[in-house]
This record gives sequence, C-alpha cells and structure tokens, in this order.
Amino acid sequence: QLQLQESGPGLVKSSETLSLTCTVSDGSITTIGYYWGWIRQPPGKGLEWIGSFYYSGNTYYNPSLKSRVTISVDSSKNQFSLNLTSATAADTAVYYCARPDYASGSYYDSWGQGTLVTVSS
Amino acid sequence: DIQMTQSPSTLSASVGDRVTITCRASQSISDWLAWYQQKPGKAPKLLIYRASNLERGVPSRFSGSGSGTEFTLTISSLQPDDFATYHCQQYNRYSWTFGQGTKVEIK
Repeated sequence: QLQLQESGPGLVKSSETLSLTCTVSDGSITTIGYYWGWIRQPPGKGLEWIGSFYYSGNTYYNPSLKSRVTISVDSSKNQFSLNLTSATAADTAVYYCARPDYASGSYYDSWGQGTLVTVSS
Repeated sequence: DIQMTQSPSTLSASVGDRVTITCRASQSISDWLAWYQQKPGKAPKLLIYRASNLERGVPSRFSGSGSGTEFTLTISSLQPDDFATYHCQQYNRYSWTFGQGTKVEIK
C-alpha cells in the first residue's frame, strides 16, 4: 500500500525559505498518469491546496501562492519537495503530501501523516 | 478561482441524529466534488468522491448528493465515531480547492 512521509524542519525563521520533502514508498512517483501534491492546514483552519505535479513533469500551483512556491522531483530517491520562499507567520501550518486518484486526479485518496511547520521571527 | 463555501461551520448533534452538511461552489463544477472526514491530529480521510460515490470501506450511513454548484453530505444516523470535522473539495482544470470545514460536535 502506498505510503507518503513528510520530512523537514519544524521551525523556520520569518523571511526564510520553508523546505519540505515527501518520500514515497510502495509506489513510484514516475508511474504514468499520477499527480502528486502538497496541501496545508493552518492551526484551527481549513485545508489549502498548495500545488501539484504530474508524472510527466508539469506543475500546477495555487494562484495565491504561485509567486513563492516551487515543487521539484528527485525520481532517483522517489521523493518530491516543496519550497516556499519568504515565509511568514501565515505559513505556519501542518503540511501534507498527498496523491489523487489515478482515474481522474480529482480527489485525494492517499495522504501522508502531515508535519507541523512553525514560522517564527 | 473557484471558491467553496461550507455550511454550517459548526454543528451540534446527538448520536442517532440525521446530519446534513452543505457545500456550495462559486461556479459549476459538474460532479467533481469530494468529501473528507478529519479527526484531530490526523490526515483527512476520503469518504465520498464524484459527489455521490462512497469510498471503499466507508459506512453506508454516509451519502453524498448534488451537482453543479450545490452539494450535500448526509450522515443518516450519527455514530460516536462520526464526531469530527468534514471538508468538501472541488477539482477543476488542474486546481483543487477545499471548503473551510464543518465541525460536528456532541450536543
């Protein structure tokens, strides 16, 4: 069964870059037809889609974050990463990596456990 | 961008109650809507996809309906394990958007 695991610093200084990695097990991030994505949840708030990439390399970002977000892939390690520049307290959240279904890519049926990142001054 | 609005934000109910949560999209999304259940400290769990399809292993007391811009999640008889937060999510043209969530509390 597919497993996703987020990793990275739990504390980031304001104005610095927030960087996280998702390691995928029991599945390949280069499998044809799959998207992979990042979603976050500020404390006590709702979920926010950050961005996704398609197995072919195309990337898609939330317009509200697009200027600060980069998603990259390391297929040799079966990992994908999130970089969010110029972090502020508003970026404090639990960050999840997740994969939508194969057939439509429209709903997320596989999630990591999430990792809390706190941005402080 | 498509915005998703859930109502209510909080719902107080008792075991055995029938519960309905509504999700409205700012423009038509056909049936590209999913519902998730989330418990504290846990990742969301998929309940319903394509508006009305029950995910494998999800109890049949959960059901979804709707199309276009208005959707509902119904729990036919609330069970103790169902007290949680529920999120709707739409998909349109390589963009995924969630509602703000509905917390179902014990009355």
